[in-house]
Amino acid sequence: EGQLVESGGGLVKPGGSLRLSCAASGFTFSNAWMSWVRQAPGKGLEWVGRIKSKTDGGTTDYAAPVKGRFTISRDDSKNTLYLQMNSLKTEDTAVYYCTKLRGYAFDMWGQGTMVTVSS
Amino acid sequence: EIVLTQSPGTLSLSPGERATLSCRASQSVSSSFLAWYQQRPGQAPRLLIYGASSRATGIPDRFSGSGSGTDFTLTISRLEPEDFAVYYCQQYGSSLYTFGQGTKLEIK
Repeated sequence: EGQLVESGGGLVKPGGSLRLSCAASGFTFSNAWMSWVRQAPGKGLEWVGRIKSKTDGGTTDYAAPVKGRFTISRDDSKNTLYLQMNSLKTEDTAVYYCTKLRGYAFDMWGQGTMVTVSS
Repeated sequence: EIVLTQSPGTLSLSPGERATLSCRASQSVSSSFLAWYQQRPGQAPRLLIYGASSRATGIPDRFSGSGSGTDFTLTISRLEPEDFAVYYCQQYGSSLYTFGQGTKLEIK
């Protein structure tokens, strides 16, 4: 049974930066397409972005609200996924989930890490 | 961007009853690209259905998905106490993923 464990959340001021990490285990991470999904307090789910496996090109795609500010990367040697978040806004406050894609569905989720953007 | 609209917003039913949740897309979605998730309070979401009608690993057969084009349905045949949660549909298209706003299934 695979597992995803996020870390790196916390309180940051508007305009600041934060990097989230996601440690993967129990599956072949290097073959997996990975994604970040967030959930603002009391709200629904919002896709943030996705990175393909290096075999499939390693390219990234992002949702419009974060494009140009957030960057997803991966270190297959460490089985770790990253989310670099710059120019943070108050509306980026959310629980951030690391997810694994199976086809076009998110079949594995981490427990989430809270990011609060506030002055 | 394809918008998914779920209805109803809240569904109040009793254990043992049948639940029918709807997900309508603003334009046609390939059945291969439609999934459903369950989120219990304080927990991460869990994949229930992928490809519109295929159950994910370990999902009980009381959960079923159907539909095509712009209209999709999640059916729970006989509600168990642990089924009262929020349900989301999700689609993929043009390198983007979108979720519906969710349906809260509450105990009547």
